[in-house]
Amino acid sequence: GAVVSQHPSWVICKSGTSVKIECRSLDFQATTMFWYRQFPKQSLMLMATSNEGSKATYEQGVEKDKFLINHASLTLSTLTVTSAHPEDSSFYICSAYRRGEGNTIYFGEGSWLTVV
Amino acid sequence: QKEVEQNSGPLSVPEGAIASLNCTYSDRGSQSFFWYRQYSGKSPELIMFIYSNGDKEDGRFTAQLNKASQYVSLLIRDSQPSDSATYLCAVKGPSGQNFVFGPGTRLSVLP
Repeated sequence: GAVVSQHPSWVICKSGTSVKIECRSLDFQATTMFWYRQFPKQSLMLMATSNEGSKATYEQGVEKDKFLINHASLTLSTLTVTSAHPEDSSFYICSAYRRGEGNTIYFGEGSWLTVV
Repeated sequence: QKEVEQNSGPLSVPEGAIASLNCTYSDRGSQSFFWYRQYSGKSPELIMFIYSNGDKEDGRFTAQLNKASQYVSLLIRDSQPSDSATYLCAVKGPSGQNFVFGPGTRLSVLP
């Protein structure tokens, strides 16, 4: 079953409004979570690395004031797209790093954002 | 710049054949290697990981690692149309939790 849950799966918002996406690790604690954006038929693009209890590390070219990341607990990270515009419409995916067998990352189901 | 490269494809194979997906990486210090499958419109899901040189088998999937050549591959035996997806290679460095993903190879299994 899923070990990382992402919500909402689909969201439509009006231009200029803000949208929050949640990412939860279900049965493990994740000190590190990652946020990606993916446009249709394109590769995953890492936006930022979210560390519990500290500021997120953003990739070059990603506006930290526009994409607010909060990792307030060991099982929850949120991404808020502020003042959304149609060009922000994309598939947003989170992942969480799980220590133990594999020491790997597991992905959430993804969130489709459409800004109208 | 740490890089992971994959042939974007599409790679087309007939049903029942062996599909071979390849990945090369630039960071010699990389220690962990992962294969993810991503169906269109869905998020990636982990298929398997490999740490040591050689082969690792899991059902119809076999991962192969050659650190000297900085090369990792995924073989899919008895390919099925349901295997049609994009396969992402990911590489993790020796420290931290930094994963670098390749661009993915699109596989099409023809019935």
